[in-house]
Amino acid sequence: GESVGLHLPTLSVQEGDNSIINCAYSNSASDYFIWYKQESGKGPQFIIDIRSNMDKRQGQRVTVLLNKTVKHLSLQIAATQPGDSAVYFCAEVIYNFNKFYFGSGTKLNVKP
Amino acid sequence: DAGVIQSPRHEVTEMGQEVTLRCKPISGHDYLFWYRQTMMRGLELLIYFNNNVPIDDSGMPEDRFSAKMPNASFSTLKIQPSEPRDSAVYFCASEMGRDRFLSPDTQYFGPGTRLTVL
Repeated sequence: GESVGLHLPTLSVQEGDNSIINCAYSNSASDYFIWYKQESGKGPQFIIDIRSNMDKRQGQRVTVLLNKTVKHLSLQIAATQPGDSAVYFCAEVIYNFNKFYFGSGTKLNVKP
Repeated sequence: DAGVIQSPRHEVTEMGQEVTLRCKPISGHDYLFWYRQTMMRGLELLIYFNNNVPIDDSGMPEDRFSAKMPNASFSTLKIQPSEPRDSAVYFCASEMGRDRFLSPDTQYFGPGTRLTVL
């Protein structure tokens, strides 16, 4: 069946360094992928998305890379800040089948 | 806009009791989603509505769970009877959803309801 998973459950980085959070998916029929950020006690918050026909998309301090050959997705955060500390989820969306799949999440700890 | 509003924020109940969770989506959004989040299973989609009509309820765990959306500004998720394994954080999210095949839209999540069933 379809699944979306994360390689690293916890990632610790030094403030100012770049962070890379990875995600693997199993379904090739996805329409696009989304990265969400969830802070403690709050609901997930949209960060950035990428359509399945793209390889790269950049936002403010964030870049998402999509490698369809190996079914891998990554979120890069430049100059990580303490406010970036949160759990990050990747999600896979398949519109034709009305399906949404979320990964288990990676916790990002930013050390001052 | 105040964003997606959920109530209550916390609910503690005893096994066997009925629980009703409430959600007010963002005005003008056509889609409403109910999710459940646990440490063991992560974030799971339970059901979602388009223009108040349930589209996919395949994620609803069992008949004890039911969801309604009587109008565009209100939805409920009911658990009857509740069981300890239903303990989780329940999120409601809404999405504008127009032309979603052409332009992926963002789901806006509410703050969640933390449910504890004793």
